[in-house]
Amino acid sequence: NAGVMQNPRHLVRRRGQEARLRCSPMKGHSHVYWYRQLPEEGLKFMVYLQKENIIDESGMPKERFSAEFPKEGPSILRIQQVVRGDSAAYFCASSPATGTGHEQYFGPGTRLTVT
Amino acid sequence: TQLLEQSPQFLSIQEGENLTVYCNSSSVFSSLQWYRQEPGEGPVLLVTVVTGGEVKKLKRLTFQFGDARKDSSLHITAAQPGDTGLYLCAGPKEGGAQKLVFGQGTRLTINP
Repeated sequence: NAGVMQNPRHLVRRRGQEARLRCSPMKGHSHVYWYRQLPEEGLKFMVYLQKENIIDESGMPKERFSAEFPKEGPSILRIQQVVRGDSAAYFCASSPATGTGHEQYFGPGTRLTVT
Repeated sequence: TQLLEQSPQFLSIQEGENLTVYCNSSSVFSSLQWYRQEPGEGPVLLVTVVTGGEVKKLKRLTFQFGDARKDSSLHITAAQPGDTGLYLCAGPKEGGAQKLVFGQGTRLTINP
């Protein structure tokens, strides 16, 4: 069984460029979550999506950040006009449609470096 | 604000010793999850505790959920170098769909 897949694993962008991070959930999972982790810190919730719906985006900055989970294809976290403060590890997690959703399975992350 | 405080933040011990790390909150959680994260990787789910007072064992790891569901502990017996990693506790945010609140983690190093 394939786990949660994320790509790219490492992404370097110059200030002002766009970053696109992709996440394919585990097979059979229809709920996707994005978290951000700064060095030596825990993970901070950003957004929760189901297919074609954003359920909760309360942790995502209002500007420059957007997320989608289309009917077909991976979930995308998009950061426009990146700044140095966006440098972090971004993790995607998924959970099945049934259950509480509290058990989330994480991908390996995308490490974004803004130069 | 629901916060999870983990202690100690750093722990370095010798192989074969026992240790306990803690996850505390002033808020009640419906469940708590423990994850282990290795450098350059994502967190791996170890266990979920749901019932107050619950104890779960995973080989040499023992997880306990406090009676009031505000705290949890992880005890490792006879630690091995392979136990090295960042241990994170997490719980669902109240009233917040299914988003998890994470503690800042305990970075554990087991020296051979």
